[in-house]
This record gives sequence, C-alpha cells and structure tokens, in this order.
Amino acid sequence: DADVTQTPRNRITKTGKRIMLECSQTKGHDRMYWYRQDPGLGLRLIYYSFDVKDINKGEISDGYSVSRQAQAKFSLSLESAIPNQTALYFCATSDPGRTEAFFGQGTRLTVV
Amino acid sequence: EDQVTQSPEALRLQEGESSSLNCSYTVSGLRGLFWYRQDPGKGPEFLFTLYSAGEEKEKERLKATLTKKESFLHITAPKPEDSATYLCAVQESSSNTGKLIFGQGTTLQVKP
Repeated sequence: DADVTQTPRNRITKTGKRIMLECSQTKGHDRMYWYRQDPGLGLRLIYYSFDVKDINKGEISDGYSVSRQAQAKFSLSLESAIPNQTALYFCATSDPGRTEAFFGQGTRLTVV
Repeated sequence: EDQVTQSPEALRLQEGESSSLNCSYTVSGLRGLFWYRQDPGKGPEFLFTLYSAGEEKEKERLKATLTKKESFLHITAPKPEDSATYLCAVQESSSNTGKLIFGQGTTLQVKP
C-alpha cells in the first residue's frame, strides 16, 4: 500500500460545484502539503499544515480551502470550482527532522 | 525571488548514450536541493538531496552534483526504463515551512 494515498485519482466536475480532494498518510509525518501541477509551470504550493491546529497558506491559496482532520489526514476543497483549476493535485508529507518530501499519486481534476 | 530553471525541457537519447540534465537556482540561502523522478500519471518519487556545493550522490545510473548556482543530474548509459520527467526543487534556508520551489522539469526519453 502507498504511504501517501489520494482520493479520488481522477475527477471531472462542473463549474461552480464544490469538490473535496482527500489525502491520508501512514508515514507518521507531522507536516502535510497540497501542491498543484500545471504543464510548464512546475508544482506550486497551495496550503501546508504542521499539525491539526496549524494551517498555512501557500503561494496560490485563492479559491481553495483545507482541513486537517487528524495527523494522518489533510483535505483540499474547491468551494466553487472554475475551469482554470483544472490541474494535477498532489499531497505530500515530510518529517521536520528531514528535508525531503514524499508525494502521493496525485488527483487529476478537470473542471468543465 | 527564489527561482529554479531546468534545461533542456526535453531530451531524447539512445540507449547507452550518456548525458546531463541541468538545474539552475536562485535562492537567498540553500537548505537543500532535491531531485525527483516523475512517471506519467504518478507522483514525484524522491531521488536525492544535496546540501552543499561539491556534494555528490549516486544511485544506479544517476549521479547528482551541486555547485553554488546549479545542479546536474548525470545519466550514464541510460536504459529505456530511465524515461521519465526529472524534477529539481530547492528549499530556502531561512524558511522553516518545508516548502519546495520546483523547476518545470526535464522530460527524458530513452530509445532502445
């Protein structure tokens, strides 16, 4: 089983709909992140969390919200999806004692 | 502004034809430079972390090196299974967020 699991893997939704992407991890890491990947732009940070009570905005947080339900679970919501939120979304985790991050398999989101 | 630029965008090699991928970075202070491999439809897979100029890391046919302004990923005698997108990322030293700043990636295709 994957250490960082994202659901769903693929999703098509309509403009204006609310959608939630979920991430769970078994690595025991405190830090969790949501990144977005667009062709030609690389991965960009949306939100990050150091623990259940510590949520922080990344560089592109507008239009997104997050919830850290437990140490192992971090959800990303699009309150009212728009077509330019069509992208690959990745959840990642890291241990404060180390610098590398570990990524989930990604969610391909299409907003039509 | 912290920035990471990778070149070339795409690289096609024949099996056994060695080459290098470049990652140039601008950051006020470097906590670490990371190389990831990403296969189509999958999340980035961690390869290496480099912390200081002159450091080198190796794994099978891959060798990563670091200077004060750039990193190289050398691929020796590549095989078709090395085909993937290789991502470079940096972490800035004054930030304790664990945030990664990514380049756009180099897509490598190795033909048999």
